[in-house]
Amino acid sequence: KNEVEQSPQNLTAQEGEFITINCSYSVGISALHWLQQHPGGGIVSLFMLSSGKKKHGRLIATINIQEKHSSLHITASHPRDSAVYICAVLPDSNYQLIWGAGTKLIIKP
Amino acid sequence: DTEVTQTPKHLVMGMTNKKSLKCEQHMGHRAMYWYKQKAKKPPELMFVYSYEKLSINESVPSRFSPECPNSSLLNLHLHALQPEDSALYLCASSQVGQLYNEQFFGPGTRLTVL
Repeated sequence: KNEVEQSPQNLTAQEGEFITINCSYSVGISALHWLQQHPGGGIVSLFMLSSGKKKHGRLIATINIQEKHSSLHITASHPRDSAVYICAVLPDSNYQLIWGAGTKLIIKP
Repeated sequence: DTEVTQTPKHLVMGMTNKKSLKCEQHMGHRAMYWYKQKAKKPPELMFVYSYEKLSINESVPSRFSPECPNSSLLNLHLHALQPEDSALYLCASSQVGQLYNEQFFGPGTRLTVL
């Protein structure tokens, strides 16, 4: 079993829909990253959080440390949101990020 | 400036060539990272520099040689690569010394080894 699990693996939705991507992890962490990667492109850091909730524009990230679970929400989704969304955790006792497999999101016009 | 830049964007090289990848940031970050990413896989950490000194080498073959000439620049020198080294090479940077440090990534260099 992977230490970081994301669901769903693939998600296709219509423009305007509310999107939720989930991340569960099994290790103790000091922080969790949500990142975005467009096809063939570099990685953009969306959020880094260790508790509670963060919001940036149409993106919202939440984390529940007790349940070892985080969600990334996109409101009023747009085709330009189509990308791979990756959850990565920074373990308590390590310097190295543990990466989820990513969720491929396609937003259709 | 919250950007990490990488050059070149694309690189095609033969197995006998010597080339270099460059990474630059002006955010005052004192940790810089090289990652390798194969298609549809998460990035794999290769090297970490902290205060311009190599602090982590994840058992990377010697045909990859990192260099950090100053706090803003990170290079990756390539020599005698193999076709399986073809991948997206990502650079990242972060602060040092805090409980957790958000990494900022560059756009990557797409490397093809013929």
